[in-house]
Amino acid sequence: AQSVTQPDIHITVSEGASLELRCNYSYGATPYLFWYVQSPGQGLQLLLKYFSGDTLVQGIKGFEAEFKRSQSSFNLRKPSVHWSDAAEYFCAVAPNNAGNMLTFGGGTRLMVKP
Amino acid sequence: EAGVAQSPRYKIIEKRQSVAFWCNPISGHATLYWYQQILGQGPKLLIQFQNNGVVDDSQLPKDRFSAERLKGVDSTLKIQPAKLEDSAVYLCASSLRRGNTEAFFGQGTRLTVV
Repeated sequence: AQSVTQPDIHITVSEGASLELRCNYSYGATPYLFWYVQSPGQGLQLLLKYFSGDTLVQGIKGFEAEFKRSQSSFNLRKPSVHWSDAAEYFCAVAPNNAGNMLTFGGGTRLMVKP
Repeated sequence: EAGVAQSPRYKIIEKRQSVAFWCNPISGHATLYWYQQILGQGPKLLIQFQNNGVVDDSQLPKDRFSAERLKGVDSTLKIQPAKLEDSAVYLCASSLRRGNTEAFFGQGTRLTVV
């Protein structure tokens, strides 16, 4: 069975600083990989996804993520954080034959200092 | 395009009572999911429907939880009787089909069992 670990429960960055959120997964083959964002009282919104091909994936809101097979990682990055990026971020994996049966990590709460 | 609709948004019940949640997926989406998100955790898949058939319900506590999608459109999730540990946000999601398509999430129903 697959699993996802997000080692950082909380992260605080200053507005304008760069951001990297870590995600490690466990799965027998190459899974489908996702990053979702959840703002207070809102549903989950997909930021980006990796199915195959180029290991650097571009998403919405200026986010990108890099799949590293050797490290079983799929870290999320943004070069310059905005105050509106404060939210909870979830990494998720799905078997590559059932792309929507998601297993989520525990989430990382991002706080942005002015 | 209308999103995934869920109701109610909030529900407070006493333990041992029953409760039902309703979900209306995006029009034309054949696949529907129910997730449970306990405070401080990532969402956990409870059940997946393809049209009106159950694809996977391996993580649904069937002694107290039930779900149906009778006409392949709307879905209801029921808990009877509720326990304190059922306090969570229940998220509904839908996707065009199974496989590598994006799942769209509703805003969820926050259940508090007292």
